[in-house]
Amino acid sequence: AQRVTQPEKLLSVFKGAPVELKCNYSYSGSPELFWYVQYSRQRLQLLLRHISRESIKGFTADLNKGETSFHLKKPFAQEEDSAMYYCALSMNSGYSTLTFGKGTMLLVSP
Amino acid sequence: ETGVTQSPTHLIKTRGQQVTLRCSSQSGHNTVSWYQQALGQGPQFIFQYYREEENGRGNFPPRFSGLQFPNYSSELNVNALELDDSALYLCASSLGLDEAFFGQGTRLTVV
Repeated sequence: AQRVTQPEKLLSVFKGAPVELKCNYSYSGSPELFWYVQYSRQRLQLLLRHISRESIKGFTADLNKGETSFHLKKPFAQEEDSAMYYCALSMNSGYSTLTFGKGTMLLVSP
Repeated sequence: ETGVTQSPTHLIKTRGQQVTLRCSSQSGHNTVSWYQQALGQGPQFIFQYYREEENGRGNFPPRFSGLQFPNYSSELNVNALELDDSALYLCASSLGLDEAFFGQGTRLTVV
């Protein structure tokens, strides 16, 4: 069965520091990987997906099939990045059915 | 263009009762997925409806059932409520396999 692991419940950094949110997955097929973000009092929204290779709000994530990882990175954290981040996996070729990790709360202090 | 809306926002039910949660999909979307998010956990897939047919189901018992209507809105029904059913229930709509957009959720408390 597929599984997504986010080992850190909480990651606390200072503004301007680099950020790396870890995500590891297990799936025997060829998955699609996503990062979702939930800002305070807002709904869950897509941040980025691995196949688009985009950089959104300065965040990037590279799929490493050898290490089965999809870590989210940003070189310089901003206070407005404080939010809950979820890594998710899709088994079919699309977004609709997602397996989520437990999430990592990112707190960026001034 | 309206987003995904869910009702009610909060609900308290007694163990053993039945509950119906509602979701209006985003305009133009034909696929609705439901997720359960327990406290401190990520969302867990319950099932998906595509053009009024169930199109996939997660590891949830049959007392979790759903419907999708011709206008693509959807209901999630839970029978014989248990304390562990207390959670945030999320609805997400999409056009087929395109990006899913989430609603704000319904917080269900079972006492």
